Amino acid sequence: EDKVVQSPLSLVVHEGDTVTLNCSYEVTNFRSLLWYKQEKKAPTFLFMLTSSGIEKKSGRLSSILDKKELFSILNITATQTGDSAVYLCAVGDNYGQNFVFGPGTRLSVLP
Amino acid sequence: EAGVAQSPRYKIIEKRQSVAFWCNPISGHATLYWYQQILGQGPKLLIQFQNNGVVDDSQLPKDRFSAERLKGVDSTLKIQPAKLEDSAVYLCASSLLAVGTGELFFGEGSRLTVL
Repeated sequence: EDKVVQSPLSLVVHEGDTVTLNCSYEVTNFRSLLWYKQEKKAPTFLFMLTSSGIEKKSGRLSSILDKKELFSILNITATQTGDSAVYLCAVGDNYGQNFVFGPGTRLSVLP
Repeated sequence: EAGVAQSPRYKIIEKRQSVAFWCNPISGHATLYWYQQILGQGPKLLIQFQNNGVVDDSQLPKDRFSAERLKGVDSTLKIQPAKLEDSAVYLCASSLLAVGTGELFFGEGSRLTVL
């Protein structure tokens, strides 16, 4: 059975700090890994990763995938209170053809 | 571009009652997903459609949950009879590309409370 684990489950930082969120997975026939940000509503898309070692970057957020060690990290630099949210990692495979989500990391950024 | 539309946004029912949720995906998106998200957990797939055919419903509790996607566009998810443990947010998502490859676009969700 496909499995996605995220750590930490909860994190509290102050504005300006840098955070690293982790996502590890066990998936048969991996296809892609997605990161989403979820505030008090629908998850919004951040990144899709399919290849190892290629960093995706968007402003203060960046992410990279390691297909050999089966994990991805999401980095947020110079955090702001608006970054407070649950960050979800999801993995897609070719067999089940759906995305399996991890439990999420709840990030709280204090002013 | 209009996003994924869901209704109702909130629903409170008593156990053993029935409820239905509606989803209209982004125009042209062939793949539609229903996810159940219990408080504090990640979304769990209930059912996945490709056009109007079911791709995966292995985690759908078929004794009480049903879903359909007539004409390959709108979809409804029904729960009958509801149990306390069905309290959750029901998220609908759609995807443009072939199953499993594309970004998922989520609706705002339908929050169900079963008393």
